[in-house]
Amino acid sequence: QKEVEQDPGPLSVPEGAIVSLNCTYSNSAFQYFMWYRQYSRKGPELLMYTYSSGNKEDGRFTAQVDKSSKYISLFIRDSQPSDSATYLCAMTLYNFNKFYFGSGTKLNVKP
Amino acid sequence: DAGVIQSPRHEVTEMGQEVTLRCKPISGHDYLFWYRQTMMRGLELLIYFNNNVPIDDSGMPEDRFSAKMPNASFSTLKIQPSEPRDSAVYFCASTGDTGSYNEQFFGPGTRLTVL
Repeated sequence: QKEVEQDPGPLSVPEGAIVSLNCTYSNSAFQYFMWYRQYSRKGPELLMYTYSSGNKEDGRFTAQVDKSSKYISLFIRDSQPSDSATYLCAMTLYNFNKFYFGSGTKLNVKP
Repeated sequence: DAGVIQSPRHEVTEMGQEVTLRCKPISGHDYLFWYRQTMMRGLELLIYFNNNVPIDDSGMPEDRFSAKMPNASFSTLKIQPSEPRDSAVYFCASTGDTGSYNEQFFGPGTRLTVL
């Protein structure tokens, strides 16, 4: 079993839709949870991070962590064509430690 | 800052040849990570360094892979001999101690094709 599981998609939605991206994980010791966005032929860029449980909001993006269920989510409100990318979840035990990445979900937002 | 710099951006080589990938981390960052990304396996950590010292190389697939960091501004990942299954995008990332959460900054990647 992989440490982090993520549905690869692709996920195709119309512009303006609410998008939900999810990951599950097996190691209950993970403390930091991240979402990276990767455009085609580019390196991943950090979108959001959360320490431990709870929600975090940044503009149209909301990250949610449910440690009891070992489940994290990223919600995108009012999705835009510019949001079309691959979204990777990542998590780690400590700061400056090995990151465990999901395989990424490819999102396509149609105009 | 120019960000993490990787070279070459594309490499096409024949099976059995030696391949060297290069990375310049962001100035002041003291952690450097090498990743490999494929459709089948996603993004995998190969090795990471702290202050030029390898900390965890458990992700290096086999002895054909080696990585060095001779100084704080340069690292190499070498594959010798290369095989077609090594074809992937190789990313370098760096981060530094700012006292709070420390984002990993990724380079643009090197797309390696082994024929």
